[in-house]
Amino acid sequence: ELKVEQNPLFLSMQEGKNYTIYCNYSTTSDRLYWYRQDPGKSLESLFVLLSNGAVKQEGRLMASLDTKARLSTLHITAAVHDLSATYFCAVAPTGTASKLTFGTGTRLQVTL
Amino acid sequence: DGGITQSPKYLFRKEGQNVTLSCEQNLNHDAMYWYRQDPGQGLRLIYYSQIVNDFQKGDIAEGYSVSREKKESFPLTVTSAQKNPTAFYLCASSSEWFSYGYTFGSGTRLTVV
Repeated sequence: ELKVEQNPLFLSMQEGKNYTIYCNYSTTSDRLYWYRQDPGKSLESLFVLLSNGAVKQEGRLMASLDTKARLSTLHITAAVHDLSATYFCAVAPTGTASKLTFGTGTRLQVTL
Repeated sequence: DGGITQSPKYLFRKEGQNVTLSCEQNLNHDAMYWYRQDPGQGLRLIYYSQIVNDFQKGDIAEGYSVSREKKESFPLTVTSAQKNPTAFYLCASSSEWFSYGYTFGSGTRLTVV
């Protein structure tokens, strides 16, 4: 059974600081996705990582994928309050196309 | 604009009542999914369908039923057998091999009164 673990589960950080959220998964995969969820809202797609070594950046967020280590990171640079949300990673095992498995989510709180 | 529409946004259910949540997409996606999210929790898969007239149970299918008579539509019925249905329900769709991952609807918040 595929397991997807995120850490930390909760992150409180000050504006202007840098931090990294980690997403580990337990089986071979070359496709990984990051989503953002604001309180009471649906999930919004952030990044699609489709190969080993893939790196995507959007504003203060950068995501990367290391398929050999079965690890993806979401790096936050110089955090601002607007980044406060819950972030989920999701994985599709290699060779399957039935469904994604989601991580537990990381709740990020950026304080002034 | 292509997208996925869930309705209603808020739904109130009386004890012992069945209710149906609507999910419609015009993205021409083959696969559709229903997830449940409890406050402060992650996503739990209820049912999914990869093709018309076929669907599979997810991790928490008990007390729920679905149909997939059209490619565009995947309604979820919360039956009276679901004893704790208060939650946020999310519908999603995807193209083959998750080229762009899932596209999510805006969600339905169901409350038992």
